[in-house]
Amino acid sequence: GNSVTQMEGPVTLSEEAFLTINCTYTATGYPSLFWYVQYPGEGLQLLLKATKADDKGSNKGFEATYRKETTSFHLEKGSVQVSDSAVYFCALTYTGGFKTIFGAGTRLFVKA
Amino acid sequence: GAGVSQSPRYKVTKRGQDVALRCDPISGHVSLYWYRQALGQGPEFLTYFNYEAQQDKSGLPNDRFSAERPEGSISTLTIQRTEQRDSAMYRCASSLLGTASNTGELFFGEGSRLTVL
Repeated sequence: GNSVTQMEGPVTLSEEAFLTINCTYTATGYPSLFWYVQYPGEGLQLLLKATKADDKGSNKGFEATYRKETTSFHLEKGSVQVSDSAVYFCALTYTGGFKTIFGAGTRLFVKA
Repeated sequence: GAGVSQSPRYKVTKRGQDVALRCDPISGHVSLYWYRQALGQGPEFLTYFNYEAQQDKSGLPNDRFSAERPEGSISTLTIQRTEQRDSAMYRCASSLLGTASNTGELFFGEGSRLTVL
């Protein structure tokens, strides 16, 4: 079946540290891949996406590359800020489908 | 409004009561989704509409759960005879595109937190 696995949190970093949150997926066909972010007290919002292999999604300094050979879509940021503290969800929508399947989420704490 | 609106934001009910959760999607969005999110977990798909048609309800846990979108806009998720295990955050999302090309993003509301005592 289709599924998303992401690293468990919480992840605690100091400001300006490098961030990686791992995400791997299992899917039939060629899914589209997403990272959503949930700030405290808010709904999920799209952070970035990639719709085909080798695409790189980027937004607000975050990046993720669709790696078909390793079925991965790891989220990275070179220098995190306190305001990046949130829960990050990796997700996929599989070919011809309509369901978006989410990982369990990774909570990030950034300390000043 | 500009975003997806859900009501009530918080609902506390006693076991055995019925509850109705409402979702008002972004104007013009074809697709509407209901998800359930347990604490510390990602959203879990419940059901999905294109316009007024319920396309898939395979994620609804049992027949106590139902959803409708009669005019292709506002949707209601109804839980009958609530049980404590129904306690969760219920999230609604909408998207512009229908099933023809679902590479678009989902726009989520802030959710309705249901607590069943």
